[in-house]
Amino acid sequence: EAQVTQNPRYLITVTGKKLTVTCSQNMNHEYMSWYRQDPGLGLRQIYYSMNVEVTDKGDVPEGYKVSRKEKRNFPLILESPSPNQTSLYFCASSLSIRSVAFFGQGTRLTVV
Amino acid sequence: RKEVEQDPGPFNVPEGATVAFNCTYSNSASQSFFWYRQDCRKEPKLLMSVYSSGNEDGRFTAQLNRASQYISLLIRDSKLSDSATYLCVVRGDKLIFGTGTRLQVFP
Repeated sequence: EAQVTQNPRYLITVTGKKLTVTCSQNMNHEYMSWYRQDPGLGLRQIYYSMNVEVTDKGDVPEGYKVSRKEKRNFPLILESPSPNQTSLYFCASSLSIRSVAFFGQGTRLTVV
Repeated sequence: RKEVEQDPGPFNVPEGATVAFNCTYSNSASQSFFWYRQDCRKEPKLLMSVYSSGNEDGRFTAQLNRASQYISLLIRDSKLSDSATYLCVVRGDKLIFGTGTRLQVFP
């Protein structure tokens, strides 16, 4: 089954403790991206990747890192999480930047 | 001004009703348009693309008005299962999401 898989689905952590949210897709998509969704603000892009080893900042990249060492994986790294990073995070992939995006199931992160 | 604007709702309608949502966008160079559906706390899923000539998928009709820079979604014969948030999505050099319009269909 074609899908985008994120882990974990739920995470509660403390300020400053490094964490990684994994994202994997099995559709051989070139384009992958991370979004955060907050009430009243909609989905905002954090980082995106147009292909292996090619990543770039989205609209709200501060406090986040990403890597794209393999085509299928695009982890999101929070080196020192802060409470303002409490949010619902979605990974998405598409064949290209112009194609329809498919989303992972989401990761609800709470930083206390 | 937001790049993509939607009425947040909620739209509360009875089963069987027809309901329409509009969405306006600011970038006249936008190339593609979509409606996504998002159930509470779940991922957005593509409902339908929006084509210049308008397109229909069962009870759903989407239309694009480039001159006025808006797209619309019409849902006929609403079902309880249509209750969700509908996201307007516009693509220029990247995808821009509206904040969504919430629809609640009641018996």
